[in-house]
Formats: sequence, C-alpha cells, structure tokens
Amino acid sequence: AQSVTQLGSHVSVSEGALVLLRCNYSSSVPPYLFWYVQYPNQGLQLLLKYTSAATLVKGINGFEAEFKKSETSFHLTKPSAHMSDAAEYFCAVRENFGNEKLTFGTGTRLTIIP
Amino acid sequence: NAGVTQTPKFQVLKTGQSMTLQCAQDMNHEYMSWYRQDPGMGLRLIHYSVGAGITDQGEVPNGYNVSRSTTEDFPLRLLSAAPSQTSVYFCASSPQGGSQHFGDGTRLSIL
Repeated sequence: AQSVTQLGSHVSVSEGALVLLRCNYSSSVPPYLFWYVQYPNQGLQLLLKYTSAATLVKGINGFEAEFKKSETSFHLTKPSAHMSDAAEYFCAVRENFGNEKLTFGTGTRLTIIP
Repeated sequence: NAGVTQTPKFQVLKTGQSMTLQCAQDMNHEYMSWYRQDPGMGLRLIHYSVGAGITDQGEVPNGYNVSRSTTEDFPLRLLSAAPSQTSVYFCASSPQGGSQHFGDGTRLSIL
C-alpha cells in the first residue's frame, strides 16, 4: 500500500529565507508524486508533479521538488520565501498510471515571518 | 470554464438528517472523487468513480453513498448525518493519467 509522510505539521520561515517542506513516500511500484497548496478557505491547487521524467521538477510560484529514489523523498523547496507563500501544503502519491487514487500526507502549514 | 463546482459552500445539519452534496465538472473528466479534510489528517478518500455508472469505495466510505449517472455529476449523499461527519468535503476530477482538479469545498457541521 502506498503512503506519504510529511515531517513537520508547522514550519515557519522568515521572508526571503529558504523554504524546505519534507515529504517521504512508500510505494511498491514507481510512484507518481504531487505537491498541492491550499490557501485559506479554498480548494487544493497543483504546485507540481513527478511522473518519472526528470527528477528535478519545477512548479508554479518558484517552487521545485527533487525526486530521490534512494531516500524515498520528494521534498519541496523555494529559494526565497514570500509572504504570499503562507498556506498549507500537501504531498500526495499515486501508484501508477491508470490507478487514479491519490493518498495524501497530513499537510504542513507554512508561516512566513515578516 | 467553471472547472469543478461544489454546492452548497456551507451547511449545518442536525443529527439524523440526510442531505446531498453536489459536485459538477465541465472538463469531461472520466475520474471523479470525494475527500473529507479534517485537522491533522490531510485528505481522506471517501468514494471515487472512474466513469459514468462505475463507483467504488475509498478509505472512509461508511455513512456515505454516491452515484454517477453522467460524466459531469458526482453527488455525495449523507444518509443519516452524525457529528463525526462534521468536516470539509472536497470533490475532485481528472482525466485518466492526469492531475486532479479540486472544487472549493463544502463546509459541513452536524449538530
């Protein structure tokens, strides 16, 4: 069975500092991995996805994530945090093409300190 | 395009009442799903559908029914509401092999 672990339910960074949100996955087959962002009182918006092409994936709003098979990780980073990045971030895994079910992590709430 | 539209946005029910949460998408996506979001638990899959006439259970299906008579619509029915069903409900759709598009959610309180 597939699963996702997000380390740190709350992360605070200063404006302009590096953002690092951690995600580790468990899957019996090569996974498809996703990062979603949720702003207050809104639905989830796709930030980026890994589908077995390049291991470094670039997404919207300056975010990127690197797939590391040896570490079973897919951490999300952004070089310089902006106040507008304050939101909740979810990592999700899907086992393979054709199996559309997503398994989500428990989320990380990102706070930006002015 | 409206994308994924959920109605209502807010609802308060009494224990034992029934209601239907509506979900409609205009992208001709085959796959649709319902999730519930609870603090500290992420999103958990309730039911999903891979096409009209086909539905299946997710991780937390008890107390909920679904049907898929058309590609566009995927309603979620609460048969007899319980306080444990107080949550935020999200509907999502995707093409096969694609990324899921989410609605803005329905905030449901059961008293």
